[in-house]
Amino acid sequence: DVKVTQSSRYLVKRTGEKVFLECVQDMDHENMFWYRQDPGLGLRLIYFSYDVKMKEKGDIPEGYSVSREKKERFSLILESASTNQTSMYLCASSLGLSPGTSGGNEQFFGPGTRLTVL
Amino acid sequence: AQRVTQPEKLLSVFKGAPVELKCNYSYSGSPELFWYVQYSRQRLQLLLRHISRESIKGFTADLNKGETSFHLKKPFAQEEDSAMYYCALSPFGYKYIFGTGTRLKVLA
Repeated sequence: DVKVTQSSRYLVKRTGEKVFLECVQDMDHENMFWYRQDPGLGLRLIYFSYDVKMKEKGDIPEGYSVSREKKERFSLILESASTNQTSMYLCASSLGLSPGTSGGNEQFFGPGTRLTVL
Repeated sequence: AQRVTQPEKLLSVFKGAPVELKCNYSYSGSPELFWYVQYSRQRLQLLLRHISRESIKGFTADLNKGETSFHLKKPFAQEEDSAMYYCALSPFGYKYIFGTGTRLKVLA
């Protein structure tokens, strides 16, 4: 069973604080993702990583950065939290694809971190 | 632009009634499409993918390239089907594009 764990289930921070969200997967997956989930907006990709130290911006990277120093761990960083970053944050992982393969592999999700910025 | 549209935010049906959750996509190539489900207090998980052409928990989804749709169907809804459903498109590589989701409520 793939296990994707996130460091906190609930987090409350103040405006301007630096926030770290941690995600760990135990299935040796190459790809890891950070999404935010908001009612009426669905899941929006913030950043993803396809290998250690490799990252690419998703659709809404502004105000966020990421770090992947080890294959199993992918961190999301809010450099200076703002109230509009109050949201549910989901981490996911998936196997890497062979070159030339189209489409995506199944993504396995963590339980989510509900972040409130006051 | 690649996009996934789920026109209904909320769909309420009675137990035993048929269910159809709509999903339309825009993509010029050959897409890979998925349905993900999130039950209350559980994590988001894969329900089915079009390439598998299988039925999961009584749900099926057929890819209609002419209408660019991938609607999720079940002939007889059950109360345990109540959940949030997301349609997702993977046009290339490993990235997904998710729809905005449809909350299904099955009424007793």
